[in-house]
Amino acid sequence: DVKVTQSSRYLVKRTGEKVFLECVQDMDHENMFWYRQDPGLGLRLIYFSYDVKMKEKGDIPEGYSVSREKKERFSLILESASTNQTSMYLCASVPITYMNTEAFFGQGTRLTVV
Amino acid sequence: GQQLNQSPQSMFIQEGEDVSMNCTSSSIFNTWLWYKQDPGEGPVLLIALYKAGELTSNGRLTAQFGITRKDSFLNISASIPSDVGIYFCAGQLRAGANSKLTFGKGITLSVRP
Repeated sequence: DVKVTQSSRYLVKRTGEKVFLECVQDMDHENMFWYRQDPGLGLRLIYFSYDVKMKEKGDIPEGYSVSREKKERFSLILESASTNQTSMYLCASVPITYMNTEAFFGQGTRLTVV
Repeated sequence: GQQLNQSPQSMFIQEGEDVSMNCTSSSIFNTWLWYKQDPGEGPVLLIALYKAGELTSNGRLTAQFGITRKDSFLNISASIPSDVGIYFCAGQLRAGANSKLTFGKGITLSVRP
């Protein structure tokens, strides 16, 4: 079974702190994604990466950055956390197959910024 | 960014009832996926659809890829309490490198015992 693991289930951080959310997948997938999930807004794409050291902005990249130094690990960074970044963060990985595509999600990190 | 249309935001049904959910888009997709998210967890894939007109079942779940490639539906038969959760549809235009999934906002399903 594919496993996508996010480093924390729950985090509480202070405004202005630098926050790192880590995601690791064990199936050698090329594509990895970070989403945030808010009530009534669904899943919104923050950033994605299709290869090591490659990154692309999603729909809401402001206030975030990412790092992909190794294929299995994709990190989301909040340079200076703000209260409006309180949310559920979901990481997903997707293999490059030209026939079928399924995104595998981690269990989520619920971040609260106080 | 583009999103798929799922409505209503919430549905309330009685245990044992069937329920159907639609997902529509203004543009075509070549893959449709249905996910379920339990409270406090990440979404888990229920059904994947890869061909227009395809009808696929997974236990009590049935999903169809619309013939126009702009819609899909998910049907749950004989609902049970553990069916509660958020149901997301997702569409993808093309697979492979640099591909993205577009998600609906999700439908929260409640099942009354």
